[in-house]
Amino acid sequence: DAGVIQSPRHEVTEMGQEVTLRCKPISGHNSLFWYRQTMMRGLELLIYFNNNVPIDDSGMPEDRFSAKMPNASFSTLKIQPSEPRDSAVYFCASITGTGVVAFFGQGTRLTVV
Amino acid sequence: DAKTTQPPSMDCAEGRAANLPCNHSTISGNEYVYWYRQIHSQGPQYIIHGLKNNETNEMASLIITEDRKSSTLILPHATLRDTAVYYCIVRVAYGGSQGNLIFGKGTKLSVKP
Repeated sequence: DAGVIQSPRHEVTEMGQEVTLRCKPISGHNSLFWYRQTMMRGLELLIYFNNNVPIDDSGMPEDRFSAKMPNASFSTLKIQPSEPRDSAVYFCASITGTGVVAFFGQGTRLTVV
Repeated sequence: DAKTTQPPSMDCAEGRAANLPCNHSTISGNEYVYWYRQIHSQGPQYIIHGLKNNETNEMASLIITEDRKSSTLILPHATLRDTAVYYCIVRVAYGGSQGNLIFGKGTKLSVKP
């Protein structure tokens, strides 16, 4: 298996633009997490899906952020409109139904100028 | 909020054992102790997990105290490539809202020649 695949790896966008980050979890994993990492705040959990259903989105910073998981093999994190303070590395992770081990993607480095 | 407390940083000489402590005094009976590490700019990587017994795998050993309020991750022969931030996490091993994977600030381990 290729592991958790995130795209793009790097994204530079202008303030006010819409940004969509993508994640393909490992086949057979039924839980998916989106994280944001910055130097100041560390690794923050944004949202957690189980069987494609959002279980906990309390970490989503504000209404500009939205996440979807239309099927078991794909998830998106959208920021609209983007702001410079959204600049961070965004990680996606997937985990098996037994919930033992989470596998992380390589992340998307987002820069909003 | 993270349910664990770790020292912010530690040093270790190359070839020596690295012992990384973690306090989790409020751990519940159904929560496991997980350890992940993050090497610069990469996604976090699973190391080991345990419930109450000591565990060992090819990467590390995990020692959990009898009262389960603390644990120690042991890297038996640290190498320069083990320089990373190490995260101790407590989590139930199944889905639902309790399955959130919450990262604290971790311990930055520096292995020195």
